[in-house]
Amino acid sequence: ETGVTQSPTHLIKTRGQQVTLRCSSQSGHNTVSWYQQALGQGPQFIFQYYREEENGRGNFPPRFSGLQFPNYSSELNVNALELDDSALYLCASSLSPSRAENEQFFGPGTRLTVL
Amino acid sequence: AQRVTQPEKLLSVFKGAPVELKCNYSYSGSPELFWYVQYSRQRLQLLLRHISRESIKGFTADLNKGETSFHLKKPFAQEEDSAMYYCALRSGNTPLVFGKGTRLSVIA
Repeated sequence: ETGVTQSPTHLIKTRGQQVTLRCSSQSGHNTVSWYQQALGQGPQFIFQYYREEENGRGNFPPRFSGLQFPNYSSELNVNALELDDSALYLCASSLSPSRAENEQFFGPGTRLTVL
Repeated sequence: AQRVTQPEKLLSVFKGAPVELKCNYSYSGSPELFWYVQYSRQRLQLLLRHISRESIKGFTADLNKGETSFHLKKPFAQEEDSAMYYCALRSGNTPLVFGKGTRLSVIA
């Protein structure tokens, strides 16, 4: 069984640039959730994808967008980067969005630094 | 609004001493409560959830709806328990809401 993987591990961008982060879900999982974890904070929910459709969104502006592909891997895109976007971005996959099967398995994260 | 509060950023205890990591939440319905742990250089992982009512690695947590708390306890701390601990809440199919975390340091 393959766990959740994320790429890249680290990334440095400048203000105003765009970034794409990638996540491969655990084998058999069709639901992917993205979280932002700023320094000293807990993870904060960005959005969730289920079967290629957005299935819930947190309090993040529209410049945070995502995609899920037929193989259930996912991308997080952030446009017009701001300094405050510097954070660890976590991806988590689960069997489904339903309560009973929603144990989330986290990836190692991508550390984004915006200069 | 759902909120999870972990009042301690850092908790240091001696090996063999009891541990209690505090977690309080605000939610008027019937939430699910979780504890997640992140060991050094490892990914965030689920430690336990209140509905399971189980003990994992010697840790237990009881949901107290009257006090809206879900404190994590272990009677005898071990050095390998040193890690970052996050309390989290979910209601129905809503996303997980995490606290800011408590770093547990077990001193030999």
